Amino acid sequence: ILNVEQSPQSLHVQEGDSTNFTCSFPSSNFYALHWYRWETAKSPEALFVMTLNGDEKKKGRISATLNTKEGYSYLYIKGSQPEDSATYLCAFNHNAGGTSYGKLTFGQGTILTVHP
Amino acid sequence: DSGVTQTPKHLITATGQRVTLRCSPRSGDLSVYWYQQSLDQGLQFLIQYYNGEERAKGNILERFSAQQFPDLHSELNLSSLELGDSALYFCASSVAGMGSYNEQFFGPGTRLTVL
Repeated sequence: ILNVEQSPQSLHVQEGDSTNFTCSFPSSNFYALHWYRWETAKSPEALFVMTLNGDEKKKGRISATLNTKEGYSYLYIKGSQPEDSATYLCAFNHNAGGTSYGKLTFGQGTILTVHP
Repeated sequence: DSGVTQTPKHLITATGQRVTLRCSPRSGDLSVYWYQQSLDQGLQFLIQYYNGEERAKGNILERFSAQQFPDLHSELNLSSLELGDSALYFCASSVAGMGSYNEQFFGPGTRLTVL
């Protein structure tokens, strides 16, 4: 059973604050690590796919880093806005013997609330 | 809008019944995935199809089955429904299965309520 842990479970910040959260995953048989943003009453929206140790990805005020050797990824939001309020999910895709199937193992998510 | 469509949006049925959920992937995507989101659990992977063939299987119950048709749309069949099957069922699609990074695009989901 693959264990994907996210912390914290929830986070309340003020508008303008910068914040970050963590995703921990198995450090062996790594293939890819996905970050999704999930707003209430909508479907999960892909943010980043991270594939190499040391990967850094950026989209606007959101960025992510990856450490496959120790099995963690950080998601950063700079200058949080109320519209950033959502659940942020990470999902681990493990390497099945040199190739990969599409099974993603999701963490429980971090619920971010940004107060105006 | 991800380009993945799912029907119906809501479904209410009784225990013991059988239902079919339908998914159309994004244009050009060959892989379809099904996930279940229950109240007390995160997104749980059920099954993946790639170009009509089953590619990966998760914790899918024997009462559940799926298939992907030649036009690449997929159906998830849930039978002998129990109260505990009430959940949000998502379909996702990606460009390719094997050898890709499996970036998946999610549909709007089907909310199933079993009474």
